[in-house]
Amino acid sequence: SQKIEQNSEALNIQEGKTATLTCNYTNYSPAYLQWYRQDPGRGPVFLLLIRENEKEKRKERLKVTFDTTLKQSLFHITASQPADSATYLCAWRGYGNKLVFGAGTILRVKS
Amino acid sequence: GAVVSQHPSWVICKSGTSVKIECRSLDFQATTMFWYRQFPKQSLMLMATSNEGSKATYEQGVEKDKFLINHASLTLSTLTVTSAHPEDSSFYICSAREGSPYEQYFGPGTRLTVT
Repeated sequence: SQKIEQNSEALNIQEGKTATLTCNYTNYSPAYLQWYRQDPGRGPVFLLLIRENEKEKRKERLKVTFDTTLKQSLFHITASQPADSATYLCAWRGYGNKLVFGAGTILRVKS
Repeated sequence: GAVVSQHPSWVICKSGTSVKIECRSLDFQATTMFWYRQFPKQSLMLMATSNEGSKATYEQGVEKDKFLINHASLTLSTLTVTSAHPEDSSFYICSAREGSPYEQYFGPGTRLTVT
């Protein structure tokens, strides 16, 4: 079955460092991947979309890469801040054009 | 733009009663709306997909008679949890799509607690 996995349940980093979150997929080759931020008790907020023919996408302090050989997407937050603390979800549009989410990685940025 | 609202944001109900949750797209017409459920420390699980004016399509394992979905207009979808039980307590999130498959917007969620 199509699977999307986020390797770390939680990631703790120091303010100012770069946070790197990983998303791996199996049994499917998505045309694009999406990254969302979810704060406690809130719905997900769309951050970035990267297509399979794009190696890298940037938006302010955020950067996403897409490696179709490794079947992996990396999500980077540079110069991280405590306000970046949240759960980050990767998602792909799988069978039936449905958005399938990974379990998410909780990022905690400590000052 | 692209704002999706949900009402109520939280609700507590007694076991056996029914609860209705509303989802509205505020500044666009949602041709497709989705309902997700999220348990603590778990990811979002799609419950059903609905297109305006059509019957909802439910995911495997979701009881359509228990979770009634109505998508009566291009800006409103409702989810009714009928005869709620404590195991239905969860965080329900709706999502709406205008047309492009790339752009899907999420509501803030509704916390349901069944006592």
